[in-house]
Amino acid sequence: GQQLNQSPQSMFIQEGEDVSMNCTSSSIFNTWLWYKQDPGEGPVLLIALYKAGELTSNGRLTAQFGITRKDSFLNISASIPSDVGIYFCAGHGSGNTGKLIFGQGTTLQVKP
Amino acid sequence: GAVVSQHPSWVICKSGTSVKIECRSLDFQATTMFWYRQFPKQSLMLMATSNEGSKATYEQGVEKDKFLINHASLTLSTLTVTSAHPEDSSFYICSAGGLAGIDNEQFFGPGTRLTVL
Repeated sequence: GQQLNQSPQSMFIQEGEDVSMNCTSSSIFNTWLWYKQDPGEGPVLLIALYKAGELTSNGRLTAQFGITRKDSFLNISASIPSDVGIYFCAGHGSGNTGKLIFGQGTTLQVKP
Repeated sequence: GAVVSQHPSWVICKSGTSVKIECRSLDFQATTMFWYRQFPKQSLMLMATSNEGSKATYEQGVEKDKFLINHASLTLSTLTVTSAHPEDSSFYICSAGGLAGIDNEQFFGPGTRLTVL
């Protein structure tokens, strides 16, 4: 089945630094979604992308839908302690089943 | 908008008992609801997809008689873990789609931590 490879697996950065994480797939995806999950909570939708090449921002977060439709990245600028959490990419592949395929997650830790 | 609630937030039960988890979309009608399971430090595993008024579609390897799903209305889906055993202990999360006709976006509930003794 379709799979997403998300990297890096974890990051430990200093407050104020910028962060970048990405997801790649061997097959085309029609939608890319980025979620953040805090410990013991459900994922919260950060950004949704629908078109190849689309670049969307949400505050300090910016995400792009890759031109090839096989990748996406999420950038966080000027990180703050509350950015700590697990970030997941997710997407809808071919077949339009409505099911989301998730990446393995990127654990972000921010040192004040 | 797009608020999804789950109840209970945590539950501890004895082995052999059944546990029901509710998932509600509070401010929109969800055409589809999804149930996930998450183990520590791992990603979300889709268990089943349910549409209002029809039988749920289970993912391969998920026992439908073990994890009963009922989607009685456009705002409520329930997951019942029957005859729970310690290996069923996990974090169960539901999601709902269909806000403003945008089926591709899923909004997640806060999750339910199940511990089976």
